[in-house]
Amino acid sequence: GEDVEQSLFLSVREGDSSVINCTYTDSSSTYLYWYKQEPGAGLQLLTYIFSNMDMKQDQRLTVLLNKKDKHLSLRIADTQTGDSAIYFCAENGGDDMRFGAGTRLTVKP
Amino acid sequence: DAGVIQSPRHEVTEMGQEVTLRCKPISGHDYLFWYRQTMMRGLELLIYFNNNVPIDDSGMPEDRFSAKMPNASFSTLKIQPSEPRDSAVYFCASSPRGIGNQPQHFGDGTRLSIL
Repeated sequence: GEDVEQSLFLSVREGDSSVINCTYTDSSSTYLYWYKQEPGAGLQLLTYIFSNMDMKQDQRLTVLLNKKDKHLSLRIADTQTGDSAIYFCAENGGDDMRFGAGTRLTVKP
Repeated sequence: DAGVIQSPRHEVTEMGQEVTLRCKPISGHDYLFWYRQTMMRGLELLIYFNNNVPIDDSGMPEDRFSAKMPNASFSTLKIQPSEPRDSAVYFCASSPRGIGNQPQHFGDGTRLSIL
């Protein structure tokens, strides 16, 4: 099958940049998404990128897409304690939307 | 705007009992999804509907699980009989039109504990 893969944990210090990486396998994916899940809550769409783009910036968030390597990353600048959450990478491939296992980001003061 | 609304937020019941989870999608959204999230298996798609019709239920784990969408504003996920291994957080999500170019909006989930 086709899997979306992410590392499970990332720990950074407050004020540093965080980079969460994701690899996907479906080259037909049109959009790639980043969702954030805070404790006790559902997944919240953070940002997304169209597959013909290689970068998208939205305030402290930067998404980089390397379509050749099927690699997606999310950079959070000036990481704050409120950014501590689980971040999910997701791709759409036709009729299905597939999620990675999520990266748990811990921000230490 | 109201988001996806799920009820109950928490459910604790004994094994063997019937459990019904409820979802109200965002008005105007044509697609509705049911997911299950556990530590071991992560986020799993159970079933999704388009215009109230089930499209893909290949993720439904067993015949004990069933889902319905009697109208555009309501869906249920039922487990009968429930087992301890069904304990998880169940999410409902909805999206407008096609899956590919419209992101899914998630409810806050139902945390289900089967004793």
